[in-house]
Amino acid sequence: QSVLTQPPSVSGTPGQRVTISCSGSSSNIGSKYVYWYQQLPGTAPKFLIYRSIQRPSGVPDRFAGSKSGTSASLTISGLRSEDEATYYCASWDDVLSAVVFGGGTKLTVL
Amino acid sequence: EVQLVESGGGLVQPGGSLRLSCAASGFRFSDHYMDWVRQAPGKGLEWVGRIRNHAISYTTEDAASVRGRFSISRDDSKNSLYLHMKSLKTEDTAVYYCTRGPNHYTSGSYYDWSFDIWGHGTMVTVSS
Repeated sequence: QSVLTQPPSVSGTPGQRVTISCSGSSSNIGSKYVYWYQQLPGTAPKFLIYRSIQRPSGVPDRFAGSKSGTSASLTISGLRSEDEATYYCASWDDVLSAVVFGGGTKLTVL
Repeated sequence: EVQLVESGGGLVQPGGSLRLSCAASGFRFSDHYMDWVRQAPGKGLEWVGRIRNHAISYTTEDAASVRGRFSISRDDSKNSLYLHMKSLKTEDTAVYYCTRGPNHYTSGSYYDWSFDIWGHGTMVTVSS
């Protein structure tokens, strides 16, 4: 059972917009930044979003992070086949004094 | 090219010890905090711990699941990060990733928990 809750799977067709949610609490998302990572099958995770809404250089603007209260979201616009991957949210938790990850959401591009 | 390359993984018996290494290149290693993140087979990501840089006296933080058994160290002269593991349990079986944390000299770095560069990972299997 992960501290941050993500849906196990989402799907969409090419060109569509999909949103992946990440639910936490006041000790993590509610008071800390959220980070997002993309893990393509068989590869190491890749840095996608930091400080809840910022994109590192090289990450397409099709990827957007948002946060409201104790929840965060990753929205992918103009879905492409190469976006098919597992996406993880993460945050610092003040109670656990640790970085906590969501369980991951597998995105399928139909 | 910014790169992290892990090594040292393998098969170890329960209760055994192992040291993982991570060789960094392409950036000023001594300025950055460094972290280890692991992933059990077919499972999600789990943060293991962080070591900060010399400016913060190489302070470390770690996850409760490894506290007292794992420790992190670094050798800035060799651009290397280490994960010292002892009293290994079967549940420690995972791919261990070396990751780059924030540059200490970037505003807000102490509370920045981003991992912007990842190695390819090294597999640790704890089994009898």
